Amino acid sequence: ETGVTQTPRHLVMGMTNKKSLKCEQHLGHNAMYWYKQSAKKPLELMFVYSLEERVENNSVPSRFSPECPNSSHLFLHLHTLQPEDSALYLCASSQDSGESNEQFFGPGTRLTVL
Amino acid sequence: AQSVAQPEDQVNVAEGNPLTVKCTYSVSGNPYLFWYVQYPNRGLQFLLKYITGDNLVKGSYGFEAEFNKSQTSFHLKKPSALVSDSALYFCAVRDWGKLIFGQGTELSVKP
Repeated sequence: ETGVTQTPRHLVMGMTNKKSLKCEQHLGHNAMYWYKQSAKKPLELMFVYSLEERVENNSVPSRFSPECPNSSHLFLHLHTLQPEDSALYLCASSQDSGESNEQFFGPGTRLTVL
Repeated sequence: AQSVAQPEDQVNVAEGNPLTVKCTYSVSGNPYLFWYVQYPNRGLQFLLKYITGDNLVKGSYGFEAEFNKSQTSFHLKKPSALVSDSALYFCAVRDWGKLIFGQGTELSVKP
């Protein structure tokens, strides 16, 4: 276990649904990240939070809305998604957003949009 | 912009043989390079990193990587492969607080 948990592990939703993905880290880290992993494509960074402030929004559509209420928790709120949004969504954390720090990943949420 | 490339989509190795998974990078300035492994239905696990110092970096599960500045490479190696090493391997470079990943290399180790 990496110390980063994600729930749910699997999620199936329709295009009109609203759902949320949850990430929790037990490592005392100050930076948290959302990534999207699609088949045959490199991991795509979506959002970066450092000390609970969003420091990076990598041109992500507004149907994805992140929330970081404290340094241990990160959410990804989903609404009116498209089938092409089906992917594995990975959360990660690191000590801080410094260059030399490795990131620790959760197991991911496998999202299917019908 | 920083980038990494993994030229092989798949690497096949017999158990007990040495393995190499290739990675080349393109950066401005000093590179911070990482290797991660992803087992089926799991998230990525950190293996090792190069920040500065010795060009040969040792990491988890017997893996090591060699930083070669002249060839701009950071290949992952293991002297003797195990069937349990079969997984997806990602090389990554740090770029202003972000990790930029390669497309991944599927390693298959056969008994």
